Amino acid sequence: DAKTTQPNSMESNEEEPVHLPCNHSTISGTDYIHWYRQLPSQGPEYVIHGLTSNVNNRMASLAIAEDRKSSTLILHRATLRDAAVYYCIISSGAGSYQLTFGKGTKLSVIP
Amino acid sequence: DTEVTQTPKHLVMGMTNKKSLKCEQHMGHRAMYWYKQKAKKPPELMFVYSYEKLSINESVPSRFSPECPNSSLLNLHLHALQPEDSALYLCASSRGTGRYQPQHFGDGTRLSIL
Repeated sequence: DAKTTQPNSMESNEEEPVHLPCNHSTISGTDYIHWYRQLPSQGPEYVIHGLTSNVNNRMASLAIAEDRKSSTLILHRATLRDAAVYYCIISSGAGSYQLTFGKGTKLSVIP
Repeated sequence: DTEVTQTPKHLVMGMTNKKSLKCEQHMGHRAMYWYKQKAKKPPELMFVYSYEKLSINESVPSRFSPECPNSSLLNLHLHALQPEDSALYLCASSRGTGRYQPQHFGDGTRLSIL
């Protein structure tokens, strides 16, 4: 499994953009990059995923480095509801889809 | 609100009890998963079902017994659990088991073993 490295915690002011980094230097060519988040007392929630190109959806943007060894999750305007643990995950497994969660980044949003 | 429903939300049981956790989804997903999450730790995969067949068992002790009676339901039968099995048990589902398939999680069952 490709290992990921994320900062333990980050802080952001409300209504400002947030850039959450993730390093995954051992990623292989067919591995997808996934981001999930877990709000307090809830199950994880899918945020976004990508392979090579940058991706946008209603929740966030995913910027993937050209060599694919790192990626950045971008929340364009942080709200208090975005305070959560954010997990960067590299999919693994030849025949089935397995999520191996790392420690994640705990994001705090300051009003 | 999540589209994956887990019951019960909380469960307290003794080490000699037998209980079951239930998970239900009506999104037509054909892959379902059980995860275990200890306090302040990330979720850890336990089992994967694909098209109602067990495809992955991550070396989980036999006191945990999964069952997938149909494509919408996933059960986890518990017997003779230990105090260290106290955790949040999460169920998830996805359309298939391809590497690009997002997983949808329930909010979990918080299990306490006395």
